Amino acid sequence: AQSVAQPEDQVNVAEGNPLTVKCTYSVSGNPYLFWYVQYPNRGLQFLLKYITGDNLVKGSYGFEAEFNKSQTSFHLKKPSALVSDSALYFCAVRDWEGSQGNLIFGKGTKLSVKP
Amino acid sequence: EAGVVQSPRYKIIEKKQPVAFWCNPISGHNTLYWYRQNLGQGPELLIRYENEEAVDDSQLPKDRFSAERLKGVDSTLKIQPAELGDSAVYLCASSLGSFRGRTSGANVLTFGAGSRLTVL
Repeated sequence: AQSVAQPEDQVNVAEGNPLTVKCTYSVSGNPYLFWYVQYPNRGLQFLLKYITGDNLVKGSYGFEAEFNKSQTSFHLKKPSALVSDSALYFCAVRDWEGSQGNLIFGKGTKLSVKP
Repeated sequence: EAGVVQSPRYKIIEKKQPVAFWCNPISGHNTLYWYRQNLGQGPELLIRYENEEAVDDSQLPKDRFSAERLKGVDSTLKIQPAELGDSAVYLCASSLGSFRGRTSGANVLTFGAGSRLTVL
């Protein structure tokens, strides 16, 4: 089955600094990759996706992600972090093998941005 | 436009009691999902509907969990009887399209706020 891994449980960044939240994937064929964010007591909100085309994908709230096929990665980035970016971030991939296209999520990375 | 609506937001029950969660998807979204999110984990799919058909329920514990989506709109997820390990957030999501031919793979899931279940 296809999967994603988020190697960091938590990322700490100072406000104004760049941030990176890491994601690696394991798929056969072309991956359909997504990033979602979850604020406390809220549902998941879509940030961005990579399906095909340009490896640098821009999304909501100033976030972007870079698809790297050789490293099987899809890291989430932002040039300048805000305190309000503090939340849980989930990477996800479409599982075309085992589950007919269901979205499979990583375990999440908690981003903490300090003033 | 209203988002995905779930109720109740919070539910506390004693083990062995039944519980039900309700979801109203975004109007026009034919695909509906129920996910379970344990503390500190990512969401895990329980069941996926395309219209009124359950196209993937392989991860639904069928001895105690049941779901229905009558008329292909609202959906209900039921647990009977609840166990301590069922404490989690139950997330409903919806999207457009069918995924059988990969034509809708790019479609985004919209999630509700979730129903937090605590089993004592």
